Amino acid sequence: GESVGLHLPTLSVQEGDNSIINCAYSNSASDYFIWYKQESGKGPQFIIDIRSNMDKRQGQRVTVLLNKTVKHLSLQIAATQPGDSAVYFCAGRGPALIFGKGTTLSVSS
Amino acid sequence: DVKVTQSSRYLVKRTGEKVFLECVQDMDHENMFWYRQDPGLGLRLIYFSYDVKMKEKGDIPEGYSVSREKKERFSLILESASTNQTSMYLCASTYSGDGDTQYFGPGTRLTVL
Repeated sequence: GESVGLHLPTLSVQEGDNSIINCAYSNSASDYFIWYKQESGKGPQFIIDIRSNMDKRQGQRVTVLLNKTVKHLSLQIAATQPGDSAVYFCAGRGPALIFGKGTTLSVSS
Repeated sequence: DVKVTQSSRYLVKRTGEKVFLECVQDMDHENMFWYRQDPGLGLRLIYFSYDVKMKEKGDIPEGYSVSREKKERFSLILESASTNQTSMYLCASTYSGDGDTQYFGPGTRLTVL
């Protein structure tokens, strides 16, 4: 079946560093992708999305890159802060949303 | 802001009990979803609904049923709770004209003893 998966289950960075969380998907027909952030004890929160006709989309301190050739997307967080510590999920539409298992980002001061 | 609320944050039930999990959204969204979230398995779709009184099975509907009598409310029912249904349950909603951005509730941590 179709799948969406993250490359690393955990990522540890220092405060101020840039973080990159990677995700691969299997359905080449997926036309829409979302990144979610889930803090401990809370439901997932929307961060940023990107459609397949785009390669890059920027938000506030976050950038999503989409490489359709290798079916890969990444979430870049600039100047990572302790408040960014959370589990990050990518999800792709194909046709229903398929969620990856999540990468736990730990930010140390 | 979209608000999705779930009736309980924590729930403890016994095996065989009937369990109701309620979800309410206040943004007139057509689509509502129930997921369970387990370590190492990520989010798995149980049921979803595109309109009042409509329901569709997700990936793991066995042991669950749902009810959507009003647009703002989507209920998940465990007819006879079992220990393997111990999990975090997340409700989400979307507006049809907003792509697939799903707005999630805070989750209900259900423990079945």
